[in-house]
Amino acid sequence: GAGVSQSPSNKVTEKGKDVELRCDPISGHTALYWYRQSLGQGLEFLIYFQGNSAPDKSGLPSDRFSAERTGGSVSTLTIQRTQQEDSAVYLCASSGRQGASEQYFGPGTRLTVT
Amino acid sequence: GQNIDQPTEMTATEGAIVQINCTYQTSGFNGLFWYQQHAGEAPTFLSYNVLDGLEEKGRFSSFLSRSKGYSYLLLKELQMKDSASYLCAVSNDYKLSFGAGTTVTVRA
Repeated sequence: GAGVSQSPSNKVTEKGKDVELRCDPISGHTALYWYRQSLGQGLEFLIYFQGNSAPDKSGLPSDRFSAERTGGSVSTLTIQRTQQEDSAVYLCASSGRQGASEQYFGPGTRLTVT
Repeated sequence: GQNIDQPTEMTATEGAIVQINCTYQTSGFNGLFWYQQHAGEAPTFLSYNVLDGLEEKGRFSSFLSRSKGYSYLLLKELQMKDSASYLCAVSNDYKLSFGAGTTVTVRA
């Protein structure tokens, strides 16, 4: 597809379960970002990939959160032992250049932890 | 640290003009982005200001004053479809720091 895609679009899980969220960036985009958007809050930066490397993981809230990127393309964000406070929309974005440049966002995954 | 402030909500009438202000205090600055986000959808790019002054793009214009840590997004000839959240974001190298967003409601 032409844009950033994410799956699933919605995920409901029970507290304590692990979840995996997937992001397919725009083809050829080397930079990939994960953000979290909670109700009434701004987008919260989680992690930045340049290629397969993650030079900035400073936004990951706890060690229950991890992310990887393979082949310079698809990325997965994994949340282990989910908690209710993890409920949010998780957005992925990609850009074609290093440094400050326009980021293209996917539609997000709405995660609900019950 | 990053501190980016914008009003929570604004309401305006179809055909009118609305100005959304954004003030920032950040540890680094390369430029300022404005994004539009309709409910349940992805944010989409509107504008990017690097230098001081006004950038005009159709009905939307964005202004930046780096010395004042201030930007605004001006929406002219408002249409119902402009009802959305508008996000101000400061870039520091690769990283974007976002404000909480301003929800604009356009009324007939």
